[in-house]
Amino acid sequence: ETGVTQSPTHLIKTRGQQVTLRCSSQSGHNTVSWYQQALGQGPQFIFQYYREEENGRGNFPPRFSGLQFPNYSSELNVNALELDDSALYLCASSPMDSSNTEAFFGQGTRLTVV
Amino acid sequence: AQSVTQPDIHITVSEGASLELRCNYSYGATPYLFWYVQSPGQGLQLLLKYFSGDTLVQGIKGFEAEFKRSQSSFNLRKPSVHWSDAAEYFCAVGAQGYSTLTFGKGTMLLVSP
Repeated sequence: ETGVTQSPTHLIKTRGQQVTLRCSSQSGHNTVSWYQQALGQGPQFIFQYYREEENGRGNFPPRFSGLQFPNYSSELNVNALELDDSALYLCASSPMDSSNTEAFFGQGTRLTVV
Repeated sequence: AQSVTQPDIHITVSEGASLELRCNYSYGATPYLFWYVQSPGQGLQLLLKYFSGDTLVQGIKGFEAEFKRSQSSFNLRKPSVHWSDAAEYFCAVGAQGYSTLTFGKGTMLLVSP
């Protein structure tokens, strides 16, 4: 059984650019959530995908968007990057069909916007 | 809206001493509660979770936590800290049937020799 994997591990982008982060969910998990963790802060919920549909969104602007694919992997896209978007982006997967709502996290993608 | 408060930003404990990290939550229904640990530059590893039943839950690495509904608390404890426990610890609350989590700001644990 493979865990949650994210790519790339590190990324440097210029303000105004666009970025795509990728996440492969754990085997058997159909739900993927994305979190932003700024330096010195706890993770903040961005949005969640369940069976290829957005299933909840946190307080993030529309330039943060996502996709989930039939194999339950997911992408996080951020347009018009701002300096404050610099953070660790964490992906978590879980089996939504279970009453057990434990989320399993990947190692994260460190995004630096310059 | 749900929220989590971790009142201690940093805690320093001597190796071999006991540890208690505090967590208070605000949630309108029965909460699902979690403690995660994060080493520098890494993702989150689940230490333990409370869904229902016995209010004292055991986790990995010798950690335990006690759910106290009357105090809206879910404090993490360990009887004897090891140097390898130095990391950042996050308390989180979730809802039944939903896997989205609300995290506290974290407590950084430093272990002195």
